[in-house]
Amino acid sequence: QSVLTQPPSVSGAPGQRVTISCTGSSSNIGAGSDVHWYQQLPGTAPKLLIYGNYNRPSGVPDRFSGSKSGTSASLAITGLQADDEAYYYCQSSDSSLSVWVFGGGTKLTVL
Amino acid sequence: QVQLVQSGAEVKKSGASVKVSCVASGYTFTSHMMHWVRQAPGHGLEWMGWINTGNGNTKYSQKLQGRLSITRDPSAGTLYMDLSSLRAEDTAVYYCARETYYYGPGDSHYFDLWGQGTLVTVSS
Repeated sequence: QSVLTQPPSVSGAPGQRVTISCTGSSSNIGAGSDVHWYQQLPGTAPKLLIYGNYNRPSGVPDRFSGSKSGTSASLAITGLQADDEAYYYCQSSDSSLSVWVFGGGTKLTVL
Repeated sequence: QVQLVQSGAEVKKSGASVKVSCVASGYTFTSHMMHWVRQAPGHGLEWMGWINTGNGNTKYSQKLQGRLSITRDPSAGTLYMDLSSLRAEDTAVYYCARETYYYGPGDSHYFDLWGQGTLVTVSS
C-alpha cells in the first residue's frame, strides 16, 4: 500500500487530454511538501517530468503540466501521443520524518 | 557528462547479502544527497533511504531498517547500498537517484538524475 494514492490506470485517444491524480495526507502534501512527477517507459529508469508541483525540466514538452491543491496533486497531459504510453509516478516527502514517498503508479494507455 | 552508473546484476541466495555500487560523474558528488529506490517486478517505486554525501548521515525506511546500509566514498564519487538477510521479496531492480532541492515556496526535494538500475534476484 503506497503512501500516495494514484489511480492504477487511465486511458485516452491520441490528441485527447488526460489527468492523473495523486492524493496524500496532512503529513506530506498537506504539510507543504511539493509533488513531483516521473515518467517510466518499459525497461527504463524513471525520468523527471514535473518538479515543484508545476515546473518542467528543460526538454519536457509543455503538453505536460502539474498542479497541487490541499492534500492532492494532478498531472495533466494534453495532445496525447502514442509515445506517452508509460507509467507515471508522483513523489513527495514527509519532512518531519525525513522520508520520501511515492504513489503506486498509473499506467497510461493511448488507445 | 552528468551520469550515475551502477554495478551489474546480482543473483543471491536467501539469507545472503548484496552490495550494489553507483558511480557519479560530471558534477560535485558531495553537493547532492543520494537515495536508493527499488522496484519489484510488476510493482511501483519504493523509497529505501538516503545518505548525506557530505557527512555520511543516513535515514532508512522503517521497513528496511536493520537490514539496509547506505555508505559512500566521496574520494571516488561512489555510493553503495548493502542489503542483508535477503529474502525472495527483495528481488527487484535497485536504482540510485540524485536528490536536488528546489528553492520554491514549498518543501521540495526531487530526483533529477537516476542510475540505470541493477537487478538483484534472490533465490531459495
